[in-house]
Amino acid sequence: EVHLVESGGGLVQPWRSLRLSCAASGFTFNKYWMSWVRQAPGKGLEWVANIKQDGSAKYYMDSVKGRFTISRDNAKSSVFLEMDSLTVEDTAVYFCARDQEKYEDTGRFDYWGQGTLVTVSS
Amino acid sequence: EVVLTQSPATLSLSPGDRATLSCRASQSVNGRLVWYQHKPGQAPRLLIYDTSNRAADVPGRFSGSASETDFTLTINSVAPEDFAVYYCQQRHTWPLTFGGGTKVEI
Repeated sequence: EVHLVESGGGLVQPWRSLRLSCAASGFTFNKYWMSWVRQAPGKGLEWVANIKQDGSAKYYMDSVKGRFTISRDNAKSSVFLEMDSLTVEDTAVYFCARDQEKYEDTGRFDYWGQGTLVTVSS
Repeated sequence: EVVLTQSPATLSLSPGDRATLSCRASQSVNGRLVWYQHKPGQAPRLLIYDTSNRAADVPGRFSGSASETDFTLTINSVAPEDFAVYYCQQRHTWPLTFGGGTKVEI
């Protein structure tokens, strides 16, 4: 059974950094693209970033480019989101999601974690 | 970026009713439109991909269709467990974008 478990969320001050982790199990991790998706309080879902199986390709939403970095460790079946220069607009529940195997099939998230809450506040 | 506009924002129904949810894209997404179901405190669930393909283990009462840039998710005979928020998402161009959601409530 596929499991995705996020961790690392919490309360952080504006302009500080935070690193989120997502531990995957139940599937061959290094065969899949992986993504992060967030949901601000009372708002809808918003795709944040994704990463190719070997880490050689990464895509980001415009508002986090240059501030967030997605990475992965296939040996540990984990994907990470390093978030720098956080602002109050980054406050959200961050979900880890499994994408697809082929690039042309990406953007279809068939498994999600429960999410981890990031609150940016002074 | 592609803007997805979902309507209505809220749909009030009774179990057994038919639900029709709409998602309009600001430009062509070449049929690459996905639907998710999301309940509070839970992980979102993939329902439909590429307009009309049901994901694994999704009941047959869920179906998707489209007319150009207008996409529809239909739930025939809404079951009690179907009350949730539904999001559409396009996977045709970067950045991937979601609609604002439709809440299906009792």
